[in-house]
Amino acid sequence: DAGVIQSPRHEVTEMGQEVTLRCKPISGHDYLFWYRQTMMRGLELLIYFNNNVPIDDSGMPEDRFSAKMPNASFSTLKIQPSEPRDSAVYFCASSFTGTGDYGYTFGSGTRLTVV
Amino acid sequence: SQQGEEDPQALSIQEGENATMNCSYKTSINNLQWYRQNSGRGLVHLILIRSNEREKHSGRLRVTLDTSKKSSSLLITASRAADTASYFCATAGYSTLTFGKGTMLLVSP
Repeated sequence: DAGVIQSPRHEVTEMGQEVTLRCKPISGHDYLFWYRQTMMRGLELLIYFNNNVPIDDSGMPEDRFSAKMPNASFSTLKIQPSEPRDSAVYFCASSFTGTGDYGYTFGSGTRLTVV
Repeated sequence: SQQGEEDPQALSIQEGENATMNCSYKTSINNLQWYRQNSGRGLVHLILIRSNEREKHSGRLRVTLDTSKKSSSLLITASRAADTASYFCATAGYSTLTFGKGTMLLVSP
């Protein structure tokens, strides 16, 4: 398996534009997580899915953020409209279990810059 | 929150020396894990220790867990320049992992 694949690696967009981040988890992993990393707040869990179903989205900062997982091999995180404070690195991770009994596998991240 | 807090925030050592990082957390846990993040990359899982374990080894890594003190330590022995990275502890509660803010380790040749 090629690991967790995220795209794009870098995204620069103007304030007010829609941004869509994409993730392909590892085949066979039942859990998918979206994290956001900033210097100030560290790694924050935004939302996670179990068997394609959103379980906890309490970390999603605002209604401007939405996430979907239409099938076991694809998930998206959308920000609409984007704001400069959304600038961060967004990571997708997948795992066999929620508690990571075998660890989480992270993608390489998407560095988002909103100007 | 179960968020772990690593100490120190930054650590600078010479190649061949040992590096020790500590993690404290607040509530009971299922397991505790350590991850490494190289600059500009994703996190990589290093080692997991369960709540009923006290010590675990993996290569040059040694992890200890003291649930009575709610703390863990990660020891990297005989460090190498390639060990330069940020190291995060992550605590597993009921459902997911919560990460600390990490320790930045710099190993100089």
